[in-house]
Amino acid sequence: KQEVTQIPAALSVPEGENLVLNCSFTDSAIYNLQWFRQDPGKGLTSLLLIQSSQREQTSGRLNASLDKSSGRSTLYIAASQPGDSATYLCAVPGSGGGADGLTFGKGTHLIIQP
Amino acid sequence: NAGVTQTPKFQVLKTGQSMTLQCAQDMNHEYMSWYRQDPGMGLRLIHYSVGAGITDQGEVPNGYNVSRSTTEDFPLRLLSAAPSQTSVYFCASSPMWGEKGDTQYFGPGTRLTVL
Repeated sequence: KQEVTQIPAALSVPEGENLVLNCSFTDSAIYNLQWFRQDPGKGLTSLLLIQSSQREQTSGRLNASLDKSSGRSTLYIAASQPGDSATYLCAVPGSGGGADGLTFGKGTHLIIQP
Repeated sequence: NAGVTQTPKFQVLKTGQSMTLQCAQDMNHEYMSWYRQDPGMGLRLIHYSVGAGITDQGEVPNGYNVSRSTTEDFPLRLLSAAPSQTSVYFCASSPMWGEKGDTQYFGPGTRLTVL
């Protein structure tokens, strides 16, 4: 059974810092990996989707990398801003052909101090 | 596009009551799914559907029923509510899944309390 772990569980940094969030998964036979953002009391918003054939994806100040062989992904946030404060979740498709939903990590709760 | 919509936003039930959580999407997505999110447990899949007329169980299906009569709608029914079903419920949709994997779009959630 696929397991997804995110480290750290919580992170608080001053505004302007660059930071890295980590995600690891136990079964490397994944089709893709997604990073989501969740604001308090809200739904999930997809930030980046990396296909298994890709090494990284970029969107604005966000860069996500994927190393399937080691079962790891990182989300790099450049020049952090208070508006980046949220919980960040990574997720991979299930092993049952990928139709059986996503397996999520428990998230990293990020606070950017003004 | 409204995206994925869910109703109600909040609901309080008594043990044993039944109710239906509504989910609709206007993006013509084939794949839809329901998750519950609990503190310390993360998000867990309840049921999913790869198209109209096709549904299957996820990780935690007990106590829930689903149907998919149209592409747009994927309601989740609680048959006899229990306090263990107190949670936040999210509906999601996607054009594709698996090896053709695509971005999943989530609704705003329904916060359910069972007394």
